[in-house]
Amino acid sequence: AQTVTQSQPEMSVQEAETVTLSCTYDTSESDYYLFWYKQPPSRQMILVIRQEAYKQQNATENRFSVNFQKAAKSFSLKISDSQLGDAAMYFCAYSNTGFQKLVFGTGTRLLVSP
Amino acid sequence: DVKVTQSSRYLVKRTGEKVFLECVQDMDHENMFWYRQDPGLGLRLIYFSYDVKMKEKGDIPEGYSVSREKKERFSLILESASTNQTSMYLCASSLRIGTGPYEQYFGPGTRLTVT
Repeated sequence: AQTVTQSQPEMSVQEAETVTLSCTYDTSESDYYLFWYKQPPSRQMILVIRQEAYKQQNATENRFSVNFQKAAKSFSLKISDSQLGDAAMYFCAYSNTGFQKLVFGTGTRLLVSP
Repeated sequence: DVKVTQSSRYLVKRTGEKVFLECVQDMDHENMFWYRQDPGLGLRLIYFSYDVKMKEKGDIPEGYSVSREKKERFSLILESASTNQTSMYLCASSLRIGTGPYEQYFGPGTRLTVT
């Protein structure tokens, strides 16, 4: 069975600084998808960024980018120019190419200070 | 915009009660999911459905059942609520047909307390 590990329960960053959230996963599949989801306090979870395993190029969405290391089974999220609105729980998730059932990590709470 | 709604934001029930959590999506998605979210455990999949009247067990189905009579609606049922089912319940939906990866769209969650 696939597993996703987020080893940082909480991270802090100051506004305008850069922060990296870590995620590792375990799978025997060669093709799969990886996601970062954001859950703001008392608000709905939304997708931040996705990566397809067969694509070597790291995904980027505005201030959010990933460092995908397939051999190391590592998928970290970098947030540049952090903003107060980035404060949230961030979940790393894995999906096979089949049914797209998601396996989530335990989450990292990101605190952003002025 | 995709909208996933859940019938209640907060719910308090007594041990032994039968509890229904309702989820409705308005984007004609084939897949629907029920997760449970607990601190330190992340989200765990309870049940999912890839079509009307179809259901599959997730990782923690014990004590739960589901119903999907219409494509847009997916219900989670706690047959006899217990205190260890106190949790946040999240519903999600996604497309199925074609190539992935498909984003899952989440509802706002129902915080259930069983006393």
